[in-house]
Amino acid sequence: QKEVEQDPGPLSVPEGAIVSLNCTYSNSAFQYFMWYRQYSRKGPELLMYTYSSGNKEDGRFTAQVDKSSKYISLFIRDSQPSDSATYLCAMSYNNNDMRFGAGTRLTVKP
Amino acid sequence: GAVVSQHPSWVICKSGTSVKIECRSLDFQATTMFWYRQFPKQSLMLMATSNEGSKATYEQGVEKDKFLINHASLTLSTLTVTSAHPEDSSFYICSAGRREYEQYFGPGTRLTVT
Repeated sequence: QKEVEQDPGPLSVPEGAIVSLNCTYSNSAFQYFMWYRQYSRKGPELLMYTYSSGNKEDGRFTAQVDKSSKYISLFIRDSQPSDSATYLCAMSYNNNDMRFGAGTRLTVKP
Repeated sequence: GAVVSQHPSWVICKSGTSVKIECRSLDFQATTMFWYRQFPKQSLMLMATSNEGSKATYEQGVEKDKFLINHASLTLSTLTVTSAHPEDSSFYICSAGRREYEQYFGPGTRLTVT
């Protein structure tokens, strides 16, 4: 079993849809949970981070962490074609040991 | 803020030669830098963690003699792929740690070994 599981997709939605991206993990020691966006042939860009359980909102993006279920989510409201990218979840218990999901390829169609 | 650059962005080299990739944190000091490798449509694989002024810590299965990492200053780390072979062709990405949970990634370097 991988430490971090993420459905690679691809996921295709119409513009304006609500997108739900998810990851599960097995290591209960993870404390920091991040979502990165990666455009093709570019480095990942930090979108959201959450420490421990809870929700965090930033504009159209909401990150949720449920440590009891070992499940994290990223919601994108009013999705735009510019949101088309690969979204990577990542988690760590310290800055030196970050584990990434496989990434979900998202396409938002105009 | 939190900009990380990588150079070169793309390099083609012949089998058997060595290639150096630079990673710089432009507007912050990074005591820790990380090197990842990413194959097409796959996630990032951590290769090594480097701390300024000390030897890098390599992940299991990564050949330290092949992938030489130097972290000369708080803003610069280099990865040298020695005696490159076609199977080393990949996308190499560095990141710099700013705070405990924050890693900022460079734009990546595409290495093609012919």
